[in-house]
Amino acid sequence: QKEVEQNSGPLSVPEGAIASLNCTYSDRVSQSFFWYRQYSGKSPELIMSIYSNGDKEDGRFTAQLNKASQYVSLLIRDSQPSDSATYLCAVNSPDRGSTLGRLYFGRGTQLTVWP
Amino acid sequence: DTEVTQTPKHLVMGMTNKKSLKCEQHMGHRAMYWYKQKAKKPPELMFVYSYEKLSINESVPSRFSPECPNSSLLNLHLHALQPEDSALYLCASTLMGNGLLGSTDTQYFGPGTRLTVL
Repeated sequence: QKEVEQNSGPLSVPEGAIASLNCTYSDRVSQSFFWYRQYSGKSPELIMSIYSNGDKEDGRFTAQLNKASQYVSLLIRDSQPSDSATYLCAVNSPDRGSTLGRLYFGRGTQLTVWP
Repeated sequence: DTEVTQTPKHLVMGMTNKKSLKCEQHMGHRAMYWYKQKAKKPPELMFVYSYEKLSINESVPSRFSPECPNSSLLNLHLHALQPEDSALYLCASTLMGNGLLGSTDTQYFGPGTRLTVL
């Protein structure tokens, strides 16, 4: 069973602070890693993807990947109330017995940014 | 353009009805996915089509019947659903669907169809 674990949350930070979201995964074969943001009642929206060890920055978002530790994180700098949402960590791994990729999701971390 | 469209946005149906959900993408993606999502849970994979062939069926009840008429279109036919099938149904697509490649396997989600079964 391929597992993806996220820090359980909920996470609450003040406006302007750094929000830190963490994720670990069990399948060492995994090659690609994603963070999706999901507002209540809406569909998941891709905000970051990362494939290599290290950091990847996009605006206020930084994704970090450590394949040796099987660990992915997302930092949100200068958090805004509009960042309040559920953040889903997703790991792409080949499906059993094939090369077809599929996403394995964590349970999500609910983030609230208060003014 | 990374747009996946889904229709309808909302659907209310009785347990004896037959209805269909539709998903469309024009990005040239060759893998398309159906997910079911209940409140406060992550998306749950139902079906995967790769190059218009059903590649993954996650033991979904037969009252859900997927169809991929062409590389841009994915349908989910619904019949004799139960109230517990009420959920957000999400469609997603990816360029190749190959888990061993890099950036080609990003999944883009449509806006979803909110289904209520009475």
